[in-house]
Amino acid sequence: GDSVTQMEGPVTLSEEAFLTINCTYTATGYPSLFWYVQYPGEGLQLLLKATKADDKGSNKGFEATYRKETTSFHLEKGSVQVSDSAVYFCALSEGQGAQKLVFGQGTRLTINP
Amino acid sequence: DAGITQSPRHKVTETGTPVTLRCHQTENHRYMYWYRQDPGHGLRLIHYSYGVKDTDKGEVSDGYSVSRSKTEDFLLTLESATSSQTSVYFCAISGLAGPYNEQFFGPGTRLTVL
Repeated sequence: GDSVTQMEGPVTLSEEAFLTINCTYTATGYPSLFWYVQYPGEGLQLLLKATKADDKGSNKGFEATYRKETTSFHLEKGSVQVSDSAVYFCALSEGQGAQKLVFGQGTRLTINP
Repeated sequence: DAGITQSPRHKVTETGTPVTLRCHQTENHRYMYWYRQDPGHGLRLIHYSYGVKDTDKGEVSDGYSVSRSKTEDFLLTLESATSSQTSVYFCAISGLAGPYNEQFFGPGTRLTVL
């Protein structure tokens, strides 16, 4: 079945550092790819998405490019802020009808001032 | 913010007791989902609904049942709770079919089974 693998956390960085969170996937078809973010005590929010190869999703300074050849969707940000501290989830879905998301295990990110 | 509420937000119960969690939406979205979140596993789909009285199983459906008698409400029932069902449960909704649409998540219910 489909699966998503994220880099192990937790990740701790200083403010203004460069961020990369790796995500690779296994899928039978041609999935859509997502990054969701969960701030403390809250539900998940969509951060960005990409629906076909070489698409780049971007939002709030975060970017991720759909790489079909390496089955990857790595999340990057050039200069992180304390407010970016959260848990980040990579996810995929494919097929029609109801959107059954498959999530990675999540990566906890802490940014120190 | 999407209009999704979950109740209760916290619950502690004992092994063997029935438990029902409620998800309520004000968006009139067609699709509703129940996930559980556990350390090391991310979120996993339990059940989903694609319309009133139309539901189907997800990845981890054993021990859970669902019902949807109205568009706005999606109930998750643990018929006889076990300690392995201690988790945080999230409801989500989406309005459109297809793999590329956004799901909106509720605030979660933390369930502890003693």
